[in-house]
Amino acid sequence: GAVVSQHPSWVICKSGTSVKIECRSLDFQATTMFWYRQFPKQSLMLMATSNEGSKATYEQGVEKDKFLINHASLTLSTLTVTSAHPEDSSFYICSASTAGGPNDEQFFGPGTRLTVL
Amino acid sequence: GNSVTQMEGPVTLSEEAFLTINCTYTATGYPSLFWYVQYPGEGLQLLLKATKADDKGSNKGFEATYRKETTSFHLEKGSVQVSDSAVYFCALRGGKLIFGQGTELSVKP
Repeated sequence: GAVVSQHPSWVICKSGTSVKIECRSLDFQATTMFWYRQFPKQSLMLMATSNEGSKATYEQGVEKDKFLINHASLTLSTLTVTSAHPEDSSFYICSASTAGGPNDEQFFGPGTRLTVL
Repeated sequence: GNSVTQMEGPVTLSEEAFLTINCTYTATGYPSLFWYVQYPGEGLQLLLKATKADDKGSNKGFEATYRKETTSFHLEKGSVQVSDSAVYFCALRGGKLIFGQGTELSVKP
C-alpha cells in the first residue's frame, strides 16, 4: 500500500515551453502533497506544500509564478514549470501524506527528470 | 537553521561486509530523525526512524541510534547484501523534512 506515482518519469523540452508533472496517490487519499527538487549529488529541497482544494504554500526563494502547483483532488497534484529554462533542469520528486500534519509519514514518488534544452 | 550532513559516496562494499554511513545534524529543539532508501527507479522509502534521544530505529537488519550528545544518527548494518545497493538519505523533521545529500551504496557479490 501507500504507492505514489509520477508521470512522466522523464521529459525533455525546449527553452520557453511549459511542462506539467503529475503526482498521484494510487491507493490512498492524500490530504497533503509535497514537491521537492533535487540537483545531482545534492539533497532534496522542499519547494512547496499543497493541501487539496487550497493554494500551495511555497518555500522561501521558490517562484510561485514559475512553479504552478494544483492539488485539485485527494489523489492528484500537478506541478507546472512555466517558461522553462535550462536552469530549471532537475529531478522533481513529489510525496504525499494521508493527513495534514507535519509529523505524518510522507510516501514518495519515483521522481521526474526534467531536461530543458 | 536545521541541516543534515552525511558522508559522501559512493560507498562500495563486498557482500557480507559491515556498513556504516555517517550522519550528523544541526537542529533547534528535538527533531525526529529518519533514514530513507531509494532503490534504482523507485521512490524514497522510509527505512527507519527515531523520535527522541537514545531511541534506536531498526528495520531489515539496519539500525541507527539517536545520539543527542554527538548530534548523530549513523546507519549501520552488520552484513550487507547485493540487494542493499541503493541511495540512502538521512533526514530530520522539526516541521518540514530536511534531507542530507544522499549516499550511494554499491554492494558487490
